[in-house]
Amino acid sequence: KQEVTQIPAALSVPEGENLVLNCSFTDSAIYNLQWFRQDPGKGLTSLLLIQSSQREQTSGRLNASLDKSSGRSTLYIAASQPGDSATYLCAVGSGNTPLVFGKGTRLSVIA
Amino acid sequence: GAVVSQHPSRVICKSGTSVKIECRSLDFQATTMFWYRQFPKQSLMLMATSNEGSKATYEQGVEKDKFLINHASLTLSTLTVTSAHPEDSSFYICSARDIEGGTEAFFGQGTRLTVV
Repeated sequence: KQEVTQIPAALSVPEGENLVLNCSFTDSAIYNLQWFRQDPGKGLTSLLLIQSSQREQTSGRLNASLDKSSGRSTLYIAASQPGDSATYLCAVGSGNTPLVFGKGTRLSVIA
Repeated sequence: GAVVSQHPSRVICKSGTSVKIECRSLDFQATTMFWYRQFPKQSLMLMATSNEGSKATYEQGVEKDKFLINHASLTLSTLTVTSAHPEDSSFYICSARDIEGGTEAFFGQGTRLTVV
């Protein structure tokens, strides 16, 4: 059974810092990995999707990497801003099966 | 990206009543939709897989008679919480993938259910 772990569970950084969020998964037989953002009481916003054949994806200040063989992904946020404060969720997908989520990292960027 | 619309976004109901939540894929068709539940400060937990034209598949521990799922068309799935109790208060969110392919999952905005 696939298990997804995210470290750290919570993170507080001053504005402007670069930071890395970590995600690991136990079964490397995945089709893709997605990073989401969730604001309190809100739904999910998809940030980046990495297919299993890819090593990284970039969108603006965000860069996500995938090392499928070792079961790891990182989300790099450059020059963090207070508006980046949210919970970041990592989820892995295998074919048409539902995504399996980690518990998330709660990020707080302090002005 | 594709859009999944979930309605209502927030509902308060009395104990013992039923609540229906709709999940629509607006610009794509989905043979399969997924329903998740999220308790405060917890991650999303899969409740069931909704299959168009057939019965839903429920995860272990989820009561199928309490959480009724209907996937009547390729663009609509509904979740009905029957005889709701306060412990059913939670954030419910649906997800769908495009039937045409691509493996990206799209999520609705979620429904905050409060049972009083």
